[in-house]
Amino acid sequence: EPEVTQTPSHQVTQMGQEVILRCVPISNHLYFYWYRQILGQKVEFLVSFYNNEISEKSEIFDDQFSVERPDGSNFTLKIRSTKLEDSAMYFCATLRKVNTEAFFGQGTRLTVV
Amino acid sequence: AQSVTQLGSHVSVSEGALVLLRCNYSSSVPPYLFWYVQYPNQGLQLLLKYTSAATLVKGINGFEAEFKKSETSFHLTKPSAHMSDAAEYFCAAAPNTGNQFYFGTGTSLTVIP
Repeated sequence: EPEVTQTPSHQVTQMGQEVILRCVPISNHLYFYWYRQILGQKVEFLVSFYNNEISEKSEIFDDQFSVERPDGSNFTLKIRSTKLEDSAMYFCATLRKVNTEAFFGQGTRLTVV
Repeated sequence: AQSVTQLGSHVSVSEGALVLLRCNYSSSVPPYLFWYVQYPNQGLQLLLKYTSAATLVKGINGFEAEFKKSETSFHLTKPSAHMSDAAEYFCAAAPNTGNQFYFGTGTSLTVIP
């Protein structure tokens, strides 16, 4: 069964450092998302990406965040200067088309110290 | 904007008892609705989805959900709880326009032996 793959599974970084979270989508999927889940809280939307550009983003997705799909496969989330409050589980999700099932990766647990 | 409400952040049931997890959405136009399950330290797995076909939707692991437009609800049920059902359950909605998923705050299900 096709799956979304995220790397790394766990990353520890110092406050102020840049991190890049990677996602390999399912091959025929066209819509890509990042969500995050702070421990014990709800899953929050960060950004959606289609046709090589951001289609929607939330208030959380400020100038410290960026996404790209540089090589047509990996879909990355970059946090330029991490803060303690960025510690969370980050999920990548992909869809073949709108209003269909979203396939989620296993998540990357980011810990900022 | 779309919102999803899950009543009860924690639900405990005895093994073999009925499971009922509640979800209400806010939208004048019924969205597409989903239930996801999250086992500890894992990603989100789709249980079932409603896409305006049958109002009673059957999913994996014996779960089902009924869409009730008059109540703007999409409650998840399972006739007989199993120990392996213990997990976090998220209701999600995707509007008919746009491509963002809106998640509820989640319900943690505990199954008591």
